Amino acid sequence: DVKVTQSSRYLVKRTGEKVFLECVQDMDHENMFWYRQDPGLGLRLIYFSYDVKMKEKGDIPEGYSVSREKKERFSLILESASTNQTSMYLCAEGARRANSNQPQHFGDGTRLSIL
Amino acid sequence: SQQGEEDPQALSIQEGENATMNCSYKTSINNLQWYRQNSGRGLVHLILIRSNEREKHSGRLRVTLDTSKKSSSLLITASRAADTASYFCATDLTGGGNKLTFGTGTQLKVEL
Repeated sequence: DVKVTQSSRYLVKRTGEKVFLECVQDMDHENMFWYRQDPGLGLRLIYFSYDVKMKEKGDIPEGYSVSREKKERFSLILESASTNQTSMYLCAEGARRANSNQPQHFGDGTRLSIL
Repeated sequence: SQQGEEDPQALSIQEGENATMNCSYKTSINNLQWYRQNSGRGLVHLILIRSNEREKHSGRLRVTLDTSKKSSSLLITASRAADTASYFCATDLTGGGNKLTFGTGTQLKVEL
């Protein structure tokens, strides 16, 4: 079974702090994704990565950055946390295929509160 | 605006009944996927239907896709209390490079 592990289920940080959310996958897949989930808005893509050292902006990248130094690990960084970044953060991975048609596999999420 | 919009937003049924959820989207797709999310957990992939397919089954799940209407439906037959969850459709857009665009979800409650 695919395993996607997010480092924390719950996290509380203060405004202005630099926050790191870590995600590790065990499938040796190329694609990794970070989403945030808010009530009434569904999942929104923050950043994604097709390979090591590669990153691309999603729909809402402002206030976030990412790092992919190893294939299995994709980190989301909140450079200076703000209260409007309080949310559920979900990491996902998937195989990269030219013809697409690949499901994504998700971690259990990190519920982040910024005070 | 959301690429995928689910309807209804919330659905409450009795155990044993069938549950139908609908999803509409706006642009050309490679495939459409359905996911389930239990409260406070990550999403679990249920079923994927390609753009050239019209219907797909998996256990008690039946998914249809109508590309002319840009819509899909998920039918759960003989529902159980354990089916209580949120269900999301996600579209893999043509030329989107394996990215998915999710809708806002349908909250299903199955009562005993």
